[in-house]
Amino acid sequence: QKEVEQDPGPLSVPEGAIVSLNCTYSNSAFQYFMWYRQYSRKGPELLMYTYSSGNKEDGRFTAQVDKSSKYISLFIRDSQPSDSATYLCAMSAGYGNKLVFGAGTILRVKS
Amino acid sequence: GAVVSQHPSWVICKSGTSVKIECRSLDFQATTMFWYRQFPKQSLMLMATSNEGSKATYEQGVEKDKFLINHASLTLSTLTVTSAHPEDSSFYICSARDSEGSGTGELFFGEGSRLTVL
Repeated sequence: QKEVEQDPGPLSVPEGAIVSLNCTYSNSAFQYFMWYRQYSRKGPELLMYTYSSGNKEDGRFTAQVDKSSKYISLFIRDSQPSDSATYLCAMSAGYGNKLVFGAGTILRVKS
Repeated sequence: GAVVSQHPSWVICKSGTSVKIECRSLDFQATTMFWYRQFPKQSLMLMATSNEGSKATYEQGVEKDKFLINHASLTLSTLTVTSAHPEDSSFYICSARDSEGSGTGELFFGEGSRLTVL
């Protein structure tokens, strides 16, 4: 079993839809949770960062962490074609510890 | 946000040659940099952790004699793929953490370097 599981998709939605991206994990020591967006042939860019459980909102993006279920989510509201990319979840047991990435979910937003 | 620059963005080389990839933190100091490899449609796999002034820490299964890492300054780490073979063709990405940051654990990634070995 992988430490972090993420459905690779692709996930195809119409413009304006609410997108839900999810990851599950098995290591209860993870405390830092991140979502990265990666466009083709580019390096990942950090979208959202959360520590421990709870919700965090930034514009159209909301990140949720449920440590009891070992489940994290990223919601994108009013999705745009420019949101089409691969979304990677990543997590770490502590500051400075290595990041473990999910496989990434390919998202396609159709106009 | 902070900027991490990688060079070259892409390189094509012949089998058996060595290739050096540079990773620079442009506006912050980084005592620790990380090197990842990403194969098509797969996630990033950590290869090694590069520590300024000391030896790199390699992940299990990564040959340290093949992937030489040097972190000679607080703003520069290099990855040298020695005696490259076609199976080494991949997208190599570095990341760096601001040494004087707020401790959030945020990593800044370079744009990646695509290596093709013929």
